[in-house]
Parts: sequence; structure tokens; C-alpha cells
Amino acid sequence: EPEVTQTPSHQVTQMGQEVILRCVPISNHLYFYWYRQILGQKVEFLVSFYNNEISEKSEIFDDQFSVERPDGSNFTLKIRSTKLEDSAMYFCASSVTYRNTEAFFGQGTRLTVV
Amino acid sequence: AQKVTQAQTEISVVEKEDVTLDCVYETRDTTYYLFWYKQPPSGELVFLIRRNSFDEQNEISGRYSWNFQKSTSSFNFTITASQVVDSAVYFCALNAGNMLTFGGGTRLMVKP
Repeated sequence: EPEVTQTPSHQVTQMGQEVILRCVPISNHLYFYWYRQILGQKVEFLVSFYNNEISEKSEIFDDQFSVERPDGSNFTLKIRSTKLEDSAMYFCASSVTYRNTEAFFGQGTRLTVV
Repeated sequence: AQKVTQAQTEISVVEKEDVTLDCVYETRDTTYYLFWYKQPPSGELVFLIRRNSFDEQNEISGRYSWNFQKSTSSFNFTITASQVVDSAVYFCALNAGNMLTFGGGTRLMVKP
């Protein structure tokens, strides 16, 4: 069964360092997303991406965040200068279309900023 | 703006009991989609069901059933004859645009 794959599963980084979280969406999906879940809290939308550009983003997705689809398969989230409060589980998701289909989530990357 | 409220933060039941997880949503859109996701202790998000705003039929899938009531903006989830493997955090979510708005989640603990 096709699935969204995220790497790494866990990343520890020092405050101020740049991190790149990687995702391989399901191959025939057209919409890609990043969500964040701070430990014990709800899942929060960061950004959606379609046709090689951001379609929507939340207030959380400020200038230190960026997304990219560098090739036909990967979808990345970059955090330029990590802060302690960026520690969270980051979920990548993809969907065939938007709204009326379910988003399939990856298993998540746990980012710990120390 | 969209909002999803799951008033029950934690529920504890004994195996074989039925349990209902509540979800109340707010949106100004007339077309929207509602979802339930399960997050087991391993952390991934597992899709359970999607329902669109025009379909108020209740749905049953094995031990799971969902009650969508537009009049009360609710989309409740019932597990019949709960099992220990049902222990997880359950999230209700609303899609009225190009993003999912999640509720705060309900942690369900099923004790043997």
C-alpha cells in the first residue's frame, strides 16, 4: 500500500542550527502539507503546497520556515535557525486533491532542539 | 475561521464498554469535510473516516460508528465493545479550505 515516508524519524539539533526534514509523498498525489504537533498538544497546520508553490500557510510558518520540492519525489521543510520552541513532531501529508479527500500522513519526524 | 472542539481530553473505560468521543466544529463554509484520525502511542496519524457536509448519513464500520448532525455541528465517534488496542489519542478534524483544522484530541484508555 502506498505511504508517505518521512526521514529522519528523530533529529536532535542545537539551537540556531538549520534543519531539513524530508518527505516522500505518495506518487500520484498533487497536494503536499506540513503539520506540527508540539508534545501533548493538537496537530497544527503549517503549510500546503501545490504546483510547486505554497498555496496556504499559517501564522506559525514565518520567515524561518521554507518548503521545497527539489525533484519529482521529495518534499522538504527547512527551518533556518532553530529555536527551542520548534521542538515538536513534524508530519508531512499528501492528498490527491484538496478538501474532499483524506490526507495521508507520514509517520512523523520528532525534532528536538537543545 | 474554522474551529474544532473536543471537550473530552481523556476518557478511561474498561474493555468491552462502548465509548463515544465528542466533536463539535465551527465553520462559515457551506461545503466542508470532517475527519477522524487515530494517533496510537507510536505517534503516527491514521485516517479513520471522512464525511462531507452534504451527507448526514451515519456510518458504521465494524465496531466504529459515526454520528454527523449538522444542526448541532457535531460529528461524534462511537467505539462499540472497546478493546485495549483502541487505546490512542483520537483527533477530529475539519477541512473547509486547503488545510485540516484539528481538535485538541481525546485520549482514550481502554483497560483490560
